Amino acid sequence: GQQVMQIPQYQHVQEGEDFTTYCNSSTTLSNIQWYKQRPGGHPVFLIQLVKSGEVKKQKRLTFQFGEAKKNSSLHITATQTTDVGTYFCAGPLTGGGNKLTFGTGTQLKVEL
Amino acid sequence: GAVVSQHPSWVICKSGTSVKIECRSLDFQATTMFWYRQFPKQSLMLMATSNEGSKATYEQGVEKDKFLINHASLTLSTLTVTSAHPEDSSFYICSASRSTSSYNSPLHFGNGTRLTVT
Repeated sequence: GQQVMQIPQYQHVQEGEDFTTYCNSSTTLSNIQWYKQRPGGHPVFLIQLVKSGEVKKQKRLTFQFGEAKKNSSLHITATQTTDVGTYFCAGPLTGGGNKLTFGTGTQLKVEL
Repeated sequence: GAVVSQHPSWVICKSGTSVKIECRSLDFQATTMFWYRQFPKQSLMLMATSNEGSKATYEQGVEKDKFLINHASLTLSTLTVTSAHPEDSSFYICSASRSTSSYNSPLHFGNGTRLTVT
């Protein structure tokens, strides 16, 4: 079945270091979305990428959609303690209309 | 922004009892809502799609008689965990999308319900 994997599973960084999480789908995606879930919280939508090779930036966050539309990445420059949480990518379920399948997630911890 | 309210935030119940979880879209109408389940330190697993005015569609492996979904209005979907057992203990989260377009639009999540079955 359709799988969306993310690496790494966990990442500990010192505040100020950069962080990247990679998302890989077993199937081509029409679009990809990224969500952030703080500890004890619910997922919050960050961004959606649609075009092959698309790059979008939100302040210190840079999102990229691969040329083949099967992978994506999220890069955070100069992490801060507020970046702590789990980052999920999500793509449309094959044949599933509006349904999304979520990636395995990358948990980020930022230490002072 | 779109707001989705979920209630209760947490519930503890005894094995064999049923628990109802409500999900409301507060500032928009949602013809479709989605129910997810999340185990500790794991990803979100889609359980079912709640369709206003019609039967819910369940993902493979999800027991429809155990997880009853009702979507009686454009702003309310309920998930009832029937005859709960300890293995049903989990974090249940609902979500909804503003758009009715077939193209994926962002999901707005409720705060989630942490269910503990003793």
